[in-house]
Parts: sequence; structure tokens; C-alpha cells
Amino acid sequence: EDKVVQSPLSLVVHEGDTVTLNCSYEVTNFRSLLWYKQEKKAPTFLFMLTSSGIEKKSGRLSSILDKKELFSILNITATQTGDSAIYLCAVGVSSGSARQLTFGSGTQLTVLP
Amino acid sequence: DVKVTQSSRYLVKRTGEKVFLECVQDMDHENMFWYRQDPGLGLRLIYFSYDVKMKEKGDIPEGYSVSREKKERFSLILESASTNQTSMYLCASNRGHQETQYFGPGTRLLVL
Repeated sequence: EDKVVQSPLSLVVHEGDTVTLNCSYEVTNFRSLLWYKQEKKAPTFLFMLTSSGIEKKSGRLSSILDKKELFSILNITATQTGDSAIYLCAVGVSSGSARQLTFGSGTQLTVLP
Repeated sequence: DVKVTQSSRYLVKRTGEKVFLECVQDMDHENMFWYRQDPGLGLRLIYFSYDVKMKEKGDIPEGYSVSREKKERFSLILESASTNQTSMYLCASNRGHQETQYFGPGTRLLVL
């Protein structure tokens, strides 16, 4: 059974702190790893990673994948209150007629002013 | 921009009622998905569809059915709602073999 595990489940920090969110996976037919941000609405896409060791960066957010150790991290530097959200990790797998995503349980990040 | 809309943001139903959740996307996507999201469990796939009138079961299809009569619309049906179906329901879509899925805003369903 495919499994995606995120840690920590929740995190409370103060503005300006740096956070690291973790995602480990055990899946067959791995194709990609995706990060989403979910505020009180639709999850929005952040990054997709397919190759080990190549950092993806967008502003204060960055992410990297290790396909040997089967994990990814999402870093957020100089956090702001607007970063408060659930961060979802999903792994793309080949199964059946369409490509599916297997999601972790998410990390709830709260950034205090 | 891709737009995925869901018919209701909040819904309250009684046990035993038949419930329809509608999802519409405007990007001519082939694939559409229904998930439920529960605290501590993340998103779990209920059903997906890769073409009109085609459907496949996801990880937790029991108690649900789906309908895809038109490419842009994917409906989730709870034949006889139960309290354990109280949850957030998210619809998503994408094109062909695209990895990224685009999500709707979700419907928070409460079954009393």
C-alpha cells in the first residue's frame, strides 16, 4: 500500500522564523512529488519535484527531493503570518487509467505575529 | 487561469438523505477527481474519471457513486448519507497525463 507521511503534524512559530516541513514516502511506480498550500479554500500548487538533489525555489519557499532516501523537505524562510496554512505533500503514482496523487496528512503551520 | 467550482461551500443534510455534490471545470480537462479531507487523514481519493461516462474507484469508494455525463462536470452522490460522511469534499481536475491537479474550494458537508 502506498504511504506518504508528513511531519510534524502541526507547528507554531513566530514571524521571521525559518521552518522545515518533512515528507517521506513509500510508493510503487513513483513519478513525482508535489507540494500544495491550503488556506481556508482550495489547495494551491507550490512545487513539483521529479529529480533528486535539484532545489526548486519560489521567493522564500524552497524544496528538494531525495529519491534514494525517499523524502522531501519544504523550507520557508523569514516566515510571515500569511504563510499560516496546511501544507500538503502528494506523490504522483502510475495506477490504472489516470495518474493519481497519494497525499500525506498535511502539516498545519501557524505563524504568530 | 484554471477554474474549478463546486456547487456549495457548506451543506447540512440529515441521515438517509440523498446528497449531490457538483463540480465543474472550465479548462477542458480529461481527468476529474473527488477527495474527502479529514483531520489527521489528509486527502483520500473517492473516485476519479478519465473521460466522459468513465469512472474508477479510488481508495474509499464505499457509500459513494459518481456521474460524468459531460466533460466539464463531475458529480459525487451519497445515496444515503450517514454521519461518518461528514467531511470536507474536494474536487480536482487535470489534463491527460499532467501531474498537477487543480482543486476547487471544497464543500464542507455536515450530516446530522
